[in-house]
Parts: sequence; C-alpha cells; structure tokens
Amino acid sequence: QSALTQPASVSGSPGQSITISCTGTSSDVGTYNFVSWFQQHPGKAPKLMIYDVSNRPSGVSNRFSGSKSGNTASLTISGLQAEDEADYYCTSYTSSGTLGWVFGGGTKLTVL
Amino acid sequence: EVQLVQSGAEVKKPGESLKISCKGSGYSFPTYWIGWVRQTPGKGLEWMGVINPGDSDTRYRPSFQGQVTISVDKSISTAYLQWSSLKASDTAIYYCARQVAASRWEHWGQGTLVTVSS
Repeated sequence: QSALTQPASVSGSPGQSITISCTGTSSDVGTYNFVSWFQQHPGKAPKLMIYDVSNRPSGVSNRFSGSKSGNTASLTISGLQAEDEADYYCTSYTSSGTLGWVFGGGTKLTVL
Repeated sequence: EVQLVQSGAEVKKPGESLKISCKGSGYSFPTYWIGWVRQTPGKGLEWMGVINPGDSDTRYRPSFQGQVTISVDKSISTAYLQWSSLKASDTAIYYCARQVAASRWEHWGQGTLVTVSS
C-alpha cells in the first residue's frame, strides 16, 4: 500500500485561494469516491474537513471545498486566513492490501 | 456529544509490553469502525489498522501485522492497541478515530504519546 502523493508544502497570502493535490492510483482515488481531508495544527489531533471527495462536515467553513479528477483529488481553500496555516492530509479507501485505507504524506500550508 | 478519550502518555523501555486505550461515548460503540493511526515525531499520519467493535473483525496494514494487536471490549465501549515488545521506533503519537460512514472519519481521540527509551 503506497502512500498517496501530496506536495510537501504550499503557500498563499491572506485572501487568496490555494489548492492541495492528492494523487493516487486506480486502486484508490481513481476508483472510489471515498477521499477525505484532514487539517492538523501543531500538537492537535487531525480534524475532518472534507469527506467522500466533496462533502463538508457540519461546522466546517464553506471556504473549504473538495473535488476529484481521475486519480487526483484536490482540496481548495478560498479566502485564506491566518488560522488555515496547518498540515493537511488526504486519505482514501484502497483495494490494494488488506487494510483498506491509505494516507497521503501531508502538505504544510503556510499563510504568508 | 460523541467523544473518544484516550489513555495518558506512556514512557517505556525497549522490550516492555504496553496496552493503550480509546473509550467511546455518546454513540452506539458496536456500530462504528474504529481506526488506529500512528504519527512519528515530525512525520505524517499512517493507518495501522481498523476494527469493527461489533464483531471484532480486524484489518492491519501489512507493516504492522504481527507487531501490534488491536482489540475491543464492547462492554465498556473501549478499543485497545497493544504491543508485546516495544522498540525505540515505536515512539510516536497514536490516535484512534471513529468512522461514521465511508470516508467520514469524523471523531478523533486526543492522542496518546508513547515514548520508548532505554
């Protein structure tokens, strides 16, 4: 089970939009709409931001949106705010292996 | 309110055994899968394994198979992660998470820091 591929870092200025990609294969992202995104601030537990590719849990800002094309899922954050600075991880269901789930390597978002 | 509350930080020596816990409340514990996630210092998240508390069906990531044991006690709504012989490389923060549905891993424990050092 190989990890999904995310950029190590992205950055943007307050008010701008950024997109974080999460590239998998036909065994995971490309076949299943079971992709979610987590935000993790230092010293905190991960927080679910998007599930099933594009759904937001209650309480998550609509500045966060998700999409998928082929083997790549994306998280877009619009109207960047200082508090968005965090690590972001994607995860997907996978038919490869016995566990069923795989994470991306994580992306550090810096708000300039 | 749904909560997952994990046991406290542990400091152990190599070769020692350990069992950490994750207690669910505010929902029907047997109904939802629980996953365990490892985060090594300064690194990313890794799924270790998942368990169905209803029937104890357990799946492991291959690299963790045989290295850890995941179990539950339905009677006290608690999931466990245990090691029989810790290594220094097991030093990490361990999280439990509840799967509401599909990829909706919505509820997380606060994490348990395990430090293994001689």
